[in-house]
Amino acid sequence: EDKVVQSPLSLVVHEGDTVTLNCSYEVTNFRSLLWYKQEKKAPTFLFMLTSSGIEKKSGRLSSILDKKELFSILNITATQTGDSAVYLCAVLANSKLTFGKGITLSVRP
Amino acid sequence: DTAVSQTPKYLVTQMGNDKSIKCEQNLGHDTMYWYKQDSKKFLKIMFSYNNKELIINETVPNRFSPKSPDKAHLNLHINSLELGDSAVYFCASSQDIPGPGGYSNQPQHFGDGTRLSIL
Repeated sequence: EDKVVQSPLSLVVHEGDTVTLNCSYEVTNFRSLLWYKQEKKAPTFLFMLTSSGIEKKSGRLSSILDKKELFSILNITATQTGDSAVYLCAVLANSKLTFGKGITLSVRP
Repeated sequence: DTAVSQTPKYLVTQMGNDKSIKCEQNLGHDTMYWYKQDSKKFLKIMFSYNNKELIINETVPNRFSPKSPDKAHLNLHINSLELGDSAVYFCASSQDIPGPGGYSNQPQHFGDGTRLSIL
């Protein structure tokens, strides 16, 4: 069975801190790894990673994939209160997305 | 315009009832999905349809029956609702792109969810 594990499960930081969110996986027929941000409603897409070692960046967020060690990290620099959310990692394999349990990030002013 | 829209947003009903949730996407995507998110925020796939054809059914009780009248719609009908069905149900869609070794899915776009509460 495909498995995606995220850590830590929750994190509390202060504005301005840098955070690193982890995602490891065990799947067959890996296609890609995706990060989503979920606030109150729908998960919103952040990154899709297919190749190892190539960093994807969007503003203060960046992510990288290691297909040899089977993990990815999502970095957020200079955190703001608006970054408070659940961050979901999902792996696309066998025509479906398998999600991890999510990381709850709380950014305090 | 909302890309993936679900109705209703909230559904409160009693055990044993039958209810439906509707989903429509205006993105022109070929593939649609239903997910269940429990109280611990764990998102789990239930069904996936590609061009009206069922391609994934993840050991969901047969009280749940998806129906896809066309590729822009995927509705979910639930019979004999149970307490454990209380959750947020998300619809999603994606566009498949052919590539080496088969189709590569693109990122899935999610609806805002339907919160189902069983009394």
